[in-house]
Amino acid sequence: DIQMTQSPSSLSASVGDRVTITCRASQSLNTFLNWYQQKPGRAPKLLVYGASALQSGVPSRFSGSGSGTDFTLTISSLQPDDFATYYCQQTYTTPLTFGGGTKVEIK
Amino acid sequence: EVQLLESGGGLIQPGGSLRLSCAASGFTFSNEAMSWVRQAPGKGLEWVSYITGSGGTTHYADSVKDRFAISRDNSKNTLYLQMNSLSAEDTAVYYCVKDTTIFGVVITGRWFDAWGQGTLVTVSS
Repeated sequence: DIQMTQSPSSLSASVGDRVTITCRASQSLNTFLNWYQQKPGRAPKLLVYGASALQSGVPSRFSGSGSGTDFTLTISSLQPDDFATYYCQQTYTTPLTFGGGTKVEIK
Repeated sequence: EVQLLESGGGLIQPGGSLRLSCAASGFTFSNEAMSWVRQAPGKGLEWVSYITGSGGTTHYADSVKDRFAISRDNSKNTLYLQMNSLSAEDTAVYYCVKDTTIFGVVITGRWFDAWGQGTLVTVSS
């Protein structure tokens, strides 16, 4: 199985900060890497697919980059609505696997 | 608008069985693959099972293989997950997701672009 390691597991940041979350895969994924946002009590929401494509309706302050084994989700200017948990997911091969999540909290 | 509405969750004793349903609308259901994803209380996301649009191909996580069965009724736009031999480790919110794969010039990939609200399954005596 492909292991997905996210870092950090949590972070504290202020509104307006630039935030970077990384995801490392145990083997190459090409660009079969997605990012999701989840708020408490809610279903996850797709943010970025194919490593760098922004899902329709997602604000442009979100961006994804990377290929192979190392990927990054960046929030250019953190907004109050962005405090949530973020998960990366590999869809290169079954079983599909997720990272452990990164909880973004208010500083 | 794509909508996915799960039902069938609840409290079940260890060793019991439960069938989850997911009613889909807003897209051509028979053309789309679907998956189930679960999330144990306070934990991360775990992919559980996958089925093609026709229902002809299925995949399972090792943790549920031989106990769970995914199926679909395209005439009813409904996805199912039959869960047998349940244990406490199966306690989770179960999400129905639309599982999209694109092989294109601009982009190639696979992602979950629609999620239901989830249904809670609690396995406890």
